[in-house]
Amino acid sequence: GAVVSQHPSRVICKSGTSVKIECRSLDFQATTMFWYRQFPKQSLMLMATSNEGSKATYEQGVEKDKFLINHASLTLSTLTVTSAHPEDSSFYICSATEGGSYNSPLHFGNGTRLTVT
Amino acid sequence: SQQGEEDPQALSIQEGENATMNCSYKTSINNLQWYRQNSGRGLVHLILIRSNEREKHSGRLRVTLDTSKKSSSLLITASRAADTASYFCKIQGAQKLVFGQGTRLTINP
Repeated sequence: GAVVSQHPSRVICKSGTSVKIECRSLDFQATTMFWYRQFPKQSLMLMATSNEGSKATYEQGVEKDKFLINHASLTLSTLTVTSAHPEDSSFYICSATEGGSYNSPLHFGNGTRLTVT
Repeated sequence: SQQGEEDPQALSIQEGENATMNCSYKTSINNLQWYRQNSGRGLVHLILIRSNEREKHSGRLRVTLDTSKKSSSLLITASRAADTASYFCKIQGAQKLVFGQGTRLTINP
C-alpha cells in the first residue's frame, strides 16, 4: 500500500529557532500533500495544501510566513515552523493522495510531535 | 459546514462487544471515508463508501451510508483491545478536506 514517511517523529527546540518537518511519499507520486495540526484530544485542523511546483494554499488564520511550505518534488513536501514559540507546540501531520484526487483515500505520515521550550 | 460530525464523542465497551459510531453531514457528497488514529500516530484509512453505495464491508468493519439522512455509521464487530483509537469520518463533496471531532473508542479487556 501507499506509504507516507514523516520525519522527525519528535522534536524539541528552543523558542526562536526554526524546525523543518519532512513528508515523503515513498512509493507513489504525490502532486498534492496536506499539512494538519492537531491539539490533544481534538480533530485535525487543515493548515495548508501543498502543491508540487507551486505555492501552497493556506487556510484562513494560518500564517504563511510562520509556516513555510515547500513542495519541490513529487515525493517531498516540507513544513518549516519559523521562529517557533511555545504556542506552536503541537502534533503536526501530513497526508497525500496517490492520484492527487480529492476523492481518493488519504495516506498519512505518523506525525511529528513538536515541543518548543 | 463541510465537515462530518461523529457521534458519540467517546465510547467505552467491553472486548468482544460491537461498537457503533455515526457520522452526520450537511452537504452533498461524492464519497465518505472512515479513518482510525491511534494515540500519537497518523491516521489510517479504513474504508471508503461512495454516494451510490448503501453498505460496505471490510473484515470486522461494516459501513452504511444513508444519503437521504446524510449520515453514515461504522460498526466494528467483535471488538478487540487493539481497536482502541479515535475514529474520524471525512466527507468528500468539495475540495475542502475537513475532519470531524472524532469518536474516541476504548475497548476494555
